[in-house]
Amino acid sequence: SQQGEEDPQALSIQEGENATMNCSYKTSINNLQWYRQNSGRGLVHLILIRSNEREKHSGRLRVTLDTSKKSSSLLITASRAADTASYFCATDVTNAGKSTFGDGTTLTVKP
Amino acid sequence: DVKVTQSSRYLVKRTGEKVFLECVQDMDHENMFWYRQDPGLGLRLIYFSYDVKMKEKGDIPEGYSVSREKKERFSLILESASTNQTSMYLCATNINTGELFFGEGSRLTVL
Repeated sequence: SQQGEEDPQALSIQEGENATMNCSYKTSINNLQWYRQNSGRGLVHLILIRSNEREKHSGRLRVTLDTSKKSSSLLITASRAADTASYFCATDVTNAGKSTFGDGTTLTVKP
Repeated sequence: DVKVTQSSRYLVKRTGEKVFLECVQDMDHENMFWYRQDPGLGLRLIYFSYDVKMKEKGDIPEGYSVSREKKERFSLILESASTNQTSMYLCATNINTGELFFGEGSRLTVL
């Protein structure tokens, strides 16, 4: 069963613009993670936010978490062509490392 | 850096063949996972293991089995491959903090 759902499914922007992706989930969580996947490759962890946190930053990435709405957003500022990839959210409800993934958002950044 | 190595990037097998997908990690992590990834369905958990000789079913275990004889190695076995098992298979590992480290993936085609 899918715990997380990303929105939009696809996003196309110009280089330099900001990209925002959203993730909604169904049950209470211990943490939520965001991953990036380049075409045909494995997933790379970007950022993890715990249920008692509301916002985290890492370089050009900003993640927010609203547990009352069961949603999270990933903002990539000043996007670059190299940011073109699929982005996935994953939720861990057990705090035992087992995570459930959404379907992902495909981001295209045009140079 | 954590390194997760999957033995084969691309495999082509015939229906009914037995298929072994190997995954090795070098970070002494307890937890190891096998996911499959299909377009429109995201990542789905097949099996996972929290310790040597221990395994638990994920969301879609049917048609698969696993083996964990050593801490660093987690094998996914398709006893009799079928065409609906054509997919990208991703191995991942972590400790209980939630952040997953993925291999590069094994793309399996069953003819």
